[in-house]
Amino acid sequence: KAGVTQTPRYLIKTRGQQVTLSCSPISGHRSVSWYQQTPGQGLQFLFEYFSETQRNKGNFPGRFSGRQFSNSRSEMNVSTLELGDSALYLCASSGGSYSYEQYFGPGTRLTVT
Amino acid sequence: AQKITQTQPGMFVQEKEAVTLDCTYDTSDQSYGLFWYKQPSSGEMIFLIYQGSYDEQNATEGRYSLNFQKARKSANLVISASQLGDSAMYFCAMRVGDTGNQFYFGTGTSLTVIP
Repeated sequence: KAGVTQTPRYLIKTRGQQVTLSCSPISGHRSVSWYQQTPGQGLQFLFEYFSETQRNKGNFPGRFSGRQFSNSRSEMNVSTLELGDSALYLCASSGGSYSYEQYFGPGTRLTVT
Repeated sequence: AQKITQTQPGMFVQEKEAVTLDCTYDTSDQSYGLFWYKQPSSGEMIFLIYQGSYDEQNATEGRYSLNFQKARKSANLVISASQLGDSAMYFCAMRVGDTGNQFYFGTGTSLTVIP
């Protein structure tokens, strides 16, 4: 079974631009969660999608948004990028509505200059 | 509020020795799950072990075991017979209740295995 895939793996953007990150969950998984990892703040939950609906949302500004498609693939968008958005963005998928495991992708490393 | 605390920023262990990584948690929910993940320098998070709040037995997965002390709200990870490949960041995480898959993570412990 293929694991969670994230594209692109690395990205460099300029302040003020917007960016879209993609995540393909493990086949059959319906829950996709997004996390931001920085040296200063650690791993912080952004949001979770289940069956195309946002089920949980972390404490991030509205510049951070996401969506999930009918095939469970998910995208995350960040508008008006700031230097502080530089981070590793991790996507995780789970098998059911309440699964006891999350499987993480390799992450997208975003650098904002 | 939900919180995970890992008080050991860095740990060293001799190869083939056992090591304990500490984790305490705080939640008022009765139903929760506790997880440990390993993050090598490559960045990918690797699931190691899970303990449910209602599980009476401590979880074990190969060389990993979780020392679950509910009254103390601690969920320490024990790695037996350390190997060089165990050198990585280790994160303790918690999921609370039935509200989906929002995980709360600790700040991590960097483990270095010395030959």
